[in-house]
Amino acid sequence: DIVMTQTPLSSPVTLGQPASISCRSSGGLVHSNGKTYLSWVQQRPGQPPRLLIYKVSNRFSGVPDRFSGSGSGTDFTLKISRVEAEDVGVYYCMQATHFPWSFGQGTKVEIK
Amino acid sequence: QVHLVESGGGVVQSGSSLRLSCAPSGFTFSHYAMHWVRQAPGKGLEWLATISYDGRNQHYADSVKGRFVISRDDFMHTVFLQTNSLRDEDTAIYYCAKDSDSSFDLWGQGTMVTVSS
Repeated sequence: DIVMTQTPLSSPVTLGQPASISCRSSGGLVHSNGKTYLSWVQQRPGQPPRLLIYKVSNRFSGVPDRFSGSGSGTDFTLKISRVEAEDVGVYYCMQATHFPWSFGQGTKVEIK
Repeated sequence: QVHLVESGGGVVQSGSSLRLSCAPSGFTFSHYAMHWVRQAPGKGLEWLATISYDGRNQHYADSVKGRFVISRDDFMHTVFLQTNSLRDEDTAIYYCAKDSDSSFDLWGQGTMVTVSS
């Protein structure tokens, strides 16, 4: 089974400053069809999760362009170019290349 | 408007069963795979189960395999999660999610399941 490991688990950030979250998988995430099914979801306090990024670097509809995803192989990154107050919450990476699918532990982004 | 509404949660005793339902609206349900994900109190997200758009294929997390069953009724426009032999550690919010190329592009508000021994 693929284990997803996120770092850091907590990220205090000053408003307007960048934030970066790393996600590492215990095995490669390239599917036999050549695609990499690595996505990022955001969960604001008291809310259900919502999709931010799919297939490593594709921003979902309505997601601000300050969010970006990158990576390949086993190492992936979510970046927020300038953190805003509404970005507070927990961020999860998820792999959907190999069953059973799996989430990272989550990274809490908070304002300093 | 596009959304998912879960129902069927509640407080049950250990060993009991519950059938969770997820009613989609605003999109052609029969075209999409569907998923269940849960979140224990204060914990992270855990993928549980997936059913293909045509209902022919199901996949499960090891933690629920043999106890939970995902199914769908395209006539009723509903996806179900039958949860059996419930344990204390199954206490969680259960979310239904719509598939989009193996990501979850739409989530419901969730339904709470509390298992008490």
